[in-house]
Amino acid sequence: EVQLVQSGGGLVQPGGSLRLSCAVSGFSVSHNYMSWVRQAPGKGLEWLSVIYSAGTTYYADSVKGRFTISKDNSKNTIFLQMNSLRAEDTAVYYCGSLYCTSGSCYFDFWGQGTLVTVSS
Amino acid sequence: SYVLSQPPSVSVAPGKTARITCGGNNIGSESVHWYQQRPGQAPVLVIHSDSDRPSGIPERFSGSNSGNTATLIIGRVEAGDEADYYCQVWDSRSDQSVFGGGTKLTVL
Repeated sequence: EVQLVQSGGGLVQPGGSLRLSCAVSGFSVSHNYMSWVRQAPGKGLEWLSVIYSAGTTYYADSVKGRFTISKDNSKNTIFLQMNSLRAEDTAVYYCGSLYCTSGSCYFDFWGQGTLVTVSS
Repeated sequence: SYVLSQPPSVSVAPGKTARITCGGNNIGSESVHWYQQRPGQAPVLVIHSDSDRPSGIPERFSGSNSGNTATLIIGRVEAGDEADYYCQVWDSRSDQSVFGGGTKLTVL
């Protein structure tokens, strides 16, 4: 059974940092594409970042230079390091696995989500 | 970047057919995926690659994609289908995912 279990959310002050984790079971992150998506309160889904199996990363403009996606293949876990946090980063953050075929990718499995609140 | 447009809300009576659209420039040339999100829960894939249903998704869910509009079709709508629905495409030119703004489906 595939499971993505997230941890690391919470309350952080503006300008602060937080690291989210997403522990995967049921498949290997070393062979899969993994991604982060967030959802601000009452808003829609916003894609943030992807890490390919070989380690190549891409980011949305809204977080480029502030957020870093990474993974530890030995722990089968991906991370999102968030620096210089702003109030507008307040959201539920989801990790997800991507299935890619014929040039397109979709999210086949999702984590449970973790709330990040940026406030003084 | 690529933009996907969805109506904010769609209402339908139980037993009827709901159609939720996703507009984008020449979206018919893209592969469109759809997610259902109930309040407080993570999204769930209901249609991928325009019209393919993952295992466990009822046959009442189907999809189409042509021209500038992709459509999620939910037949014989039930109260349990009430949720937010999002379309998504993968922009391979920029290695980014794009989501539509979401549509709230209300079952009357």
